[in-house]
Amino acid sequence: GAVVSQHPSWVICKSGTSVKIECRSLDFQATTMFWYRQFPKQSLMLMATSNEGSKATYEQGVEKDKFLINHASLTLSTLTVTSAHPEDSSFYICSAVQTSGGASETQYFGPGTRLLVL
Amino acid sequence: AQTVTQSQPEMSVQEAETVTLSCTYDTSENNYYLFWYKQPPSRQMILVIRQEAYKQQNATENRFSVNFQKAAKSFSLKISDSQLGDTAMYFCAFMKRASNYQLIWGAGTKLIIKP
Repeated sequence: GAVVSQHPSWVICKSGTSVKIECRSLDFQATTMFWYRQFPKQSLMLMATSNEGSKATYEQGVEKDKFLINHASLTLSTLTVTSAHPEDSSFYICSAVQTSGGASETQYFGPGTRLLVL
Repeated sequence: AQTVTQSQPEMSVQEAETVTLSCTYDTSENNYYLFWYKQPPSRQMILVIRQEAYKQQNATENRFSVNFQKAAKSFSLKISDSQLGDTAMYFCAFMKRASNYQLIWGAGTKLIIKP
């Protein structure tokens, strides 16, 4: 149980285009999901908290107009990188919080998306 | 504010040996969770073990066990009979219970299991 999928696993795009990344909780409902960015050999950097049915909460320094988050259902959150530039190239990871069952209040992670902006 | 410290940037051991990864944290909270996650070269973040602070008994998951010392704010991970597949980055993380579910992360320890 507690499986989270993320799609696509990697994407290459041209500078100025937008890229959408999907995060799904496959076997549980998640009112809260998180989006992280990870630089090589570093820990995870929290970008935003995605709450089902409400606006996302962004961490300081993260441009909300650039990184659009939509959490339209209890199993799906999307991150759209708008007008992507080479500095947005990174590894993006989502997580979903399981709030019931034996391991409640636990984040489970998707496999990540490698984004390369040319 | 809570902080999590992993003082070992990198460790390596021989296959089948036992290894202990250290983690200390600082908090004024009394009700929280502690986690160990592993991130192998595939970069998939995998939950290894979870400890509830109000439970005195140390959590175990097969070859993985923790030594949770609440007063000392220490949460080390012991891997017994290490296997090549245990090679990964290991992250210690803190979560305040009944909060916004955010994790406070340590910097990670790179563990290499040598054949």
